[in-house]
Amino acid sequence: DTGVSQNPRHKITKRGQNVTFRCDPISEHNRLYWYRQTLGQGPEFLTYFQNEAQLEKSRLLSDRFSAERPKGSFSTLEIQRTEQGDSAMYLCASLDIQDYGYTFGSGTRLTVV
Amino acid sequence: AQSVTQLDSQVPVFEEAPVELRCNYSSSVSVYLFWYVQYPNQGLQLLLKYLSGSTLVKGINGFEAEFNKSQTSFHLRKPSVHISDTAEYFCAVSPAGGTGFQKLVFGTGTRLLVSP
Repeated sequence: DTGVSQNPRHKITKRGQNVTFRCDPISEHNRLYWYRQTLGQGPEFLTYFQNEAQLEKSRLLSDRFSAERPKGSFSTLEIQRTEQGDSAMYLCASLDIQDYGYTFGSGTRLTVV
Repeated sequence: AQSVTQLDSQVPVFEEAPVELRCNYSSSVSVYLFWYVQYPNQGLQLLLKYLSGSTLVKGINGFEAEFNKSQTSFHLRKPSVHISDTAEYFCAVSPAGGTGFQKLVFGTGTRLLVSP
């Protein structure tokens, strides 16, 4: 078990470009969460998967954002037509429902220039 | 819905001194409570959590927290801090029980600054 892995660690992109992030959760955890953290703030919930089903989405997740978790394993978060306001740390977490142990990845820091 | 208030945005303290980081929450249902630490450009590491049972919870790195239901608080304490404890600390809450989707709601964080 190597924990939750996120790639890339850093991404710099020009405004208007599309970006995709990947999260590999702990293999036994069937619940996966995406959060966004802006500078000086706590993480904010974006979306949640139970296995391959996306069961909840925050209002923060505009139409430009899409997330998938094919086959209930890794997940991807795509942002289309990036804007400067999308600059943030994107965190992924998986949950062991047996002991409510949320494990976070190291995050992907997105900078839109 | 749940919410978390961390009133202190920054807490300066000298090395080897005790520290308390305050956390208050609001919820209409029973909750689980968590403290996470975040070092620069890193993800979140769990320090401790309260699910049920004893209201005094001990975590990693010498930290502990006490759940006070009447005051809706979950303050984090350490009797003697080290320089390496300098980091951002987040309190978080989720609804208790396993039927919902159990999202974590975070406070805005408290920066602990330990100086020699």
